[in-house]
Order: sequence, then C-alpha cells, then structure tokens
Amino acid sequence: DAGVTQSPTHLIKTRGQQVTLRCSPKSGHDTVSWYQQALGQGPQFIFQYYEEEERQRGNFPDRFSGHQYPNYSSELNVNALLLGDSALYLCASSGAGTSTQYFGPGTRLTVL
Amino acid sequence: GENVEQHPSTLSVQEGDSAVIKCTYSDSASNYFPWYKQELGKRPQLIIDIRSNVGEKKDQRIAVTLNKTAKHFSLHITETQPEDSAVYFCAAQHGSGNTGKLIFGQGTTLQVKP
Repeated sequence: DAGVTQSPTHLIKTRGQQVTLRCSPKSGHDTVSWYQQALGQGPQFIFQYYEEEERQRGNFPDRFSGHQYPNYSSELNVNALLLGDSALYLCASSGAGTSTQYFGPGTRLTVL
Repeated sequence: GENVEQHPSTLSVQEGDSAVIKCTYSDSASNYFPWYKQELGKRPQLIIDIRSNVGEKKDQRIAVTLNKTAKHFSLHITETQPEDSAVYFCAAQHGSGNTGKLIFGQGTTLQVKP
C-alpha cells in the first residue's frame, strides 16, 4: 500500500515564473490538504480539497490555486513566484470520517 | 485568530531522561490534537494523537495529555534514545472527521545525547 507521494522532489524556479506541484493521496483517502513549510517553521495550511472542490483555505493569496482530480490526486499551482515562496510544500491526505492526516515527502521549491 | 504556541523551541536531554514539550491553542473549538516527528529532510510522521473527549493517551514510551479548560496539551517521552532526536510539532484541528485544517506549533528541536 503506497503512502502519500509527491512530485517533483526538488524544483528551482526564477521570480515571476509559475509552478505546478503534484500529490497522490494514500490509497483509500479522498481528502488532500496542502501546507507550506518555511525553513525552521511549522507547516502552514494553504488549502484543502475534497470531491474536487476547495473546501477550506488558509491565509494565502490567490496566486496559490489548486485542483483535485476524480482519482483524488491533487495539484498545487503557484503563479508569479516570489523569493518568499521558497519552502517545502507538503501535501497530506485523510480518509472519510477520520481526522488523521498523513504527509507526503514534500517538494522543495527554491525561487531565485 | 487560530494559533498554537509551542515550547520550548529547543530541548537537550541525556539518553534515558524524559522530555516534555508543551503546546497551547487559542481556538476552544479545536477537537483533535496530533503530534508529528520530523527528521531532517523527511516528511512529518504522526507519532501520537488525542481527541478532545480524552484526557490522556499513552503508546509505549510516548504519552500525550490534554487540559481542555486551560487549552494546553503536552507530549511526554520517557527513556529517551538518540533516535528520538528530531523536530517535534504539535497541531490543533477544528472540524469534524476529515474536514479540519491543522494549525501547527513552531516546533521543538529535541536532541538526545548518548
């Protein structure tokens, strides 16, 4: 049983570019949440997807958007990248009726 | 707004000693409190969690306590081992089932000296 997977592992972009990060949830899970973890900080909630809809959103600008597919996999898109967007982006999946969130290995994004 | 404060930010103990990490949350509607361990360059791994209708939970050397009145919860690690060295994060969730977002503390770097 595969756990949560993310791709790519690392990514280097320049300011102003856009990026797409991908996440496949744990088998049997239907909810995907995305978090941004700056160096030395705790993860910060970006948004959560369920049934292909954004269900909740944290305090992130509209440059951050997402999508969920019918197979529950999800994408995080960031437009007009800023230096401050450099971070580890984590996705977490959870199953119906459960609170436990399992994290993927993350994508390390560096914006130059 | 929703906030979780975590202390201490760093903790150094001798192997075999106990370690305690404390968190305080602001949203009284929070009802689920997980603890994650994150080793360098790795994903956060759930080590223990507790729900708001329970005051204490134990799993081998790890225990968590919750004081809803004070809005405090704590992680206790007994008989620490070098492999317990990592960053530990507490979190609080508001919402039922899988609808809640996790609000994380700032993390505690635990160093266990052999």
